[in-house]
Parts: sequence; structure tokens; C-alpha cells
Amino acid sequence: QKEVEQNSGPLSVPEGAIASLNCTYSDRVSQSFFWYRQYSGKSPELIMSIYSNGDKEDGRFTAQLNKASQYVSLLIRDSQPSDSATYLCAVNLFSGYALNFGKGTSLLVTP
Amino acid sequence: NAGVTQTPKFQVLKTGQSMTLQCAQDMNHNSMYWYRQDPGMGLRLIYYSASEGTTDKGEVPNGYNVSRLNKREFSLRLESAAPSQTSVYFCASPPTGERTDTQYFGPGTRLTVL
Repeated sequence: QKEVEQNSGPLSVPEGAIASLNCTYSDRVSQSFFWYRQYSGKSPELIMSIYSNGDKEDGRFTAQLNKASQYVSLLIRDSQPSDSATYLCAVNLFSGYALNFGKGTSLLVTP
Repeated sequence: NAGVTQTPKFQVLKTGQSMTLQCAQDMNHNSMYWYRQDPGMGLRLIYYSASEGTTDKGEVPNGYNVSRLNKREFSLRLESAAPSQTSVYFCASPPTGERTDTQYFGPGTRLTVL
């Protein structure tokens, strides 16, 4: 089983700060990378996808991918209490294949 | 969660009972997936279906069977429930028009086996 590793947290940041979430993966040939947000008692919600090395920005979210280091991260700027959730990193080998998930990082944004 | 529905939302079973979890998608997509989520274990793939009439085992298939009778529906059956199958079950499917590896999840079924 290929591994996707995340720090379980909790990661606590003050409101307005930048939250940085990290993920490493073991399979060097992985092609697609995703960040999901999951509120307690709810289903995972896709917030970012990234397929190429570099940064991808969407509103307050930036995903960063470094395939050489097998590392993907998610930055949340101007963090809000509503961002408090568990963030799941997911990776897959190629299109149409099932995702391999990390165990998630719990984020707490304090007012 | 748009386009993926699951029933029931909650279920309590006794050990040895059977039940079927239903999943349906209205996006006319080929792929569908069943995951279970347990505290500290993350999401783990039980079974998936790449197309109508085909199914394949995932990471944790023991104790489960699946059926993909048509493109829209993918069901998960527990023939003889065990307490170890207490979990939250999610069905997922890619939305039409996006890459098939972009999975969207249904609302989940919370199952307790006593």
C-alpha cells in the first residue's frame, strides 16, 4: 500500500494568519493530487486539485506541488474560524484510479 | 455532494444481520467508489467500479459485496455484519466534465453494529 502521510495535528492558528498544511507521498509516479476539507459529521469536500509542479491559487487557498521531493502542501491565507476542519490529502497514480488518502490534519482557527 | 446520493443516512444493526447500502449518481459517469472512514484510519477503499457491470476490490474488501447493475447505481452489501464494520461509509463518483480522478462524495451512511 502506497503511503500518504500527514501530521494529524491539531494545528492551531489565530484568525487572519496563514495556515500551512503538509503532505508527503511515497509513490514517485503519482500523477494527481487533491486537498479535501471535512467538517465534523460531514462528507469530504474537494477544495483544490493540482497536477503539475508549482503553485495553484484559488481564492484564499494555494496548493503547492513538488514532485521531486514528493511533497504537496496547502496554504490558507487570512484563516477564518470557519476554516476549522480536518484537511485530507489525496493522491492517485493515474486518471480513473481510486484515490489514496492521508489520515488528515485537524486545523483549528482561533478568534 | 451534488449528484451523489446515499441511503440510509443512519443504521444500527445487530451482529450477524445483513443490509445493503445504496448509492446513486445522476452524472452519467462510469466510475463509482465505496470508502469507509474510521477514526485514526482515514478513508479506505472497499470496492470500486470502473464501469457498468465491473467491480474490483480495494484495500479492505473482506466482509463486503458490491453490485453495479446499471450505470447509475452502486450498492454495498454486508452479508453478516460484525462490530468491526461499525464505520461511516462514503460513496464517491467523478462529476461529468471533469477528470475522472476528481472524486466527489455522497453524504455518507453512519453504520453501528452492536
